Amino acid sequence: AQTVTQSQPEMSVQEAETVTLSCTYDTSENNYYLFWYKQPPSRQMILVIRQEAYKQQNATENRFSVNFQKAAKSFSLKISDSQLGDTAMYFCAFMRSGNTGKLIFGQGTTLQVKP
Amino acid sequence: EPEVTQTPSHQVTQMGQEVILRCVPISNHLYFYWYRQILGQKVEFLVSFYNNEISEKSEIFDDQFSVERPDGSNFTLKIRSTKLEDSAMYFCASKISLTTRQNNNYGYTFGSGTRLTVV
Repeated sequence: AQTVTQSQPEMSVQEAETVTLSCTYDTSENNYYLFWYKQPPSRQMILVIRQEAYKQQNATENRFSVNFQKAAKSFSLKISDSQLGDTAMYFCAFMRSGNTGKLIFGQGTTLQVKP
Repeated sequence: EPEVTQTPSHQVTQMGQEVILRCVPISNHLYFYWYRQILGQKVEFLVSFYNNEISEKSEIFDDQFSVERPDGSNFTLKIRSTKLEDSAMYFCASKISLTTRQNNNYGYTFGSGTRLTVV
């Protein structure tokens, strides 16, 4: 069975600084997808970024980028130029390729951006 | 941009009562999901639904839970006899296919959730 682990329950960063959120996962699959979701106080689940396991290139979406280390089963999220609106809970998630499409989430990291 | 709509946004129910949570997935999506998030905890998969039947369910999804897509539009989650521990945020999600990429999300769209409070 797949598992996703986020070892940082809470983190904080000063506005405009850079922060990295960690995520590790365990799977025997070779084809899968990884995601970072943002959950602000409204509790909506918002996709931040996704990575296909077969791609070696790390995904980037504006200020958000990932460091995907397939051999190490690590998928960290880097937020550059942090903004107050980035304050939220962040979840790492795993999806097997070609399966029912269910997402397996980590425990989440609460990020506080300080002015 | 198409949305997944969930109603109600907040429901309070007495322990032991039946509750139905409603979702309207995106119209051309084929796969439907329910997830649960107990306050402050991680999001947990409950069930996936495809071609009018359950394709996968978790250990949480016991006999007290059922899902239905009665009219090709709505996708409902029913809890027959609610317990205090069923209090949580319930998210509906839909997906166009297992492999099609859409909006950089592989077609996976979450609703805004229903907060269920069992008293």
